[in-house]
Amino acid sequence: SQQGEEDPQALSIQEGENATMNCSYKTSINNLQWYRQNSGRGLVHLILIRSNEREKHSGRLRVTLDTSKKSSSLLITASRAADTASYFCATANSGNTPLVFGKGTRLSVIA
Amino acid sequence: GAGVSQSPSNKVTEKGKDVELRCDPISGHTALYWYRQRLGQGLEFLIYFQGNSAPDKSGLPSDRFSAERTGESVSTLTIQRTQQEDSAVYLCASTPNSYEQYFGPGTRLTVT
Repeated sequence: SQQGEEDPQALSIQEGENATMNCSYKTSINNLQWYRQNSGRGLVHLILIRSNEREKHSGRLRVTLDTSKKSSSLLITASRAADTASYFCATANSGNTPLVFGKGTRLSVIA
Repeated sequence: GAGVSQSPSNKVTEKGKDVELRCDPISGHTALYWYRQRLGQGLEFLIYFQGNSAPDKSGLPSDRFSAERTGESVSTLTIQRTQQEDSAVYLCASTPNSYEQYFGPGTRLTVT
């Protein structure tokens, strides 16, 4: 079963704009992770936020977590055409357990 | 260093045949996961290996699916009597006892 639900399902923006993707989940978690997938193949880990953290930054990425609302957002600033990909949130209810993925957001960045 | 590798990258098989998919995790990674991704969907957990512990098979969709792992090395996922609904990308991931998972490029399975 899928726990995370990303919103929107698809997003199209111009290069240079910011992209915001949201994720909601259902049960308590240990951590939440965001992954990027190009061309429907291997996933690349972007960032992890633990349940006791509220915000985390990595380069042009900013992730927030609101455990009271069971939601997270991923912000990509100053987007580039190379950011075009599908983005998935995944939750873990403890360390080293299988991740539960959402269906993803397909981001298209138009040059 | 070398990442997670999977073979074959693509597999086309006839309905009813058995297939074996292989995953080579990153050396030293104790945990290994198999996921399935249907077209346009997220990843579904299939099975999880952690060291020498009994695997977590709770995600396997039917008894046609099985997987093995030798120690902390190669894993094979076997699907017997394949069905068209088995068509998907099968992804393997490994992790060195941390939270971040490192994914292979996947095997795209097409059952005709």
